Amino acid sequence: QTVVTQEPSLSVSPGGTVTLTCGLSSGSVSTNYHPSWYQQTPGQSPRMLIYNTDTRSSGVPDRFSGSILGNKAALTITGAQADDESDYYCLVCVDTDIRVFGGGTKLTVL
Amino acid sequence: QVHLVESGGGVVQPGGSLRLSCAASGFTFSRYGMHWVRQAPGKGLEWVTFIRSDAKKSHYPDSAKGRFTTSRDNSKQMLYLQMNSLRPEDTALYYCTTDLNWGSAFWGQGTLVTVSS
Repeated sequence: QTVVTQEPSLSVSPGGTVTLTCGLSSGSVSTNYHPSWYQQTPGQSPRMLIYNTDTRSSGVPDRFSGSILGNKAALTITGAQADDESDYYCLVCVDTDIRVFGGGTKLTVL
Repeated sequence: QVHLVESGGGVVQPGGSLRLSCAASGFTFSRYGMHWVRQAPGKGLEWVTFIRSDAKKSHYPDSAKGRFTTSRDNSKQMLYLQMNSLRPEDTALYYCTTDLNWGSAFWGQGTLVTVSS
């Protein structure tokens, strides 16, 4: 089965910029995979930040942006804030009705 | 606003069965595909299944195939997950989510399933 890869952990300084990536164990993530991104803080349900590669969900600050970088999907946080410290997951559509989550990235803001 | 409420979780012995429910409100349930997603304690998210809006097709990863069955009742705005032959590794918080633009747009609070003897 398809394995979706993410950095296990990343850190960013307050006000800094960080890019999280989402790749495939074999092959490239393209817009055809309709990648989406989720933020989860401890004890809370995940919240969709980005869908269909680069569209922000309602209410999501514009410091969050999605894109394709090379052969991966990417989530970039520009001007990181303390409350961006969370777990982030990508989700890809490997077939019409089949989804696979990445393993998640634990982002530290320090 | 969209509201998803999961129920039916609990403690079950290995090999046992459990049926989860998800009550949807605040949107036209019959228009949207629905997912179940689970999260084992301290672990990441795992997609469990998807069912189309008209319930004519559903899909599962290998970990759930043959043991889990999802269904829905659009007249009651309800989603279900029947889980059989449960294993300790099925222990997780189970979320129902709404499919929108290929993503899981809305999430419930989850229901906890513990498989243990």
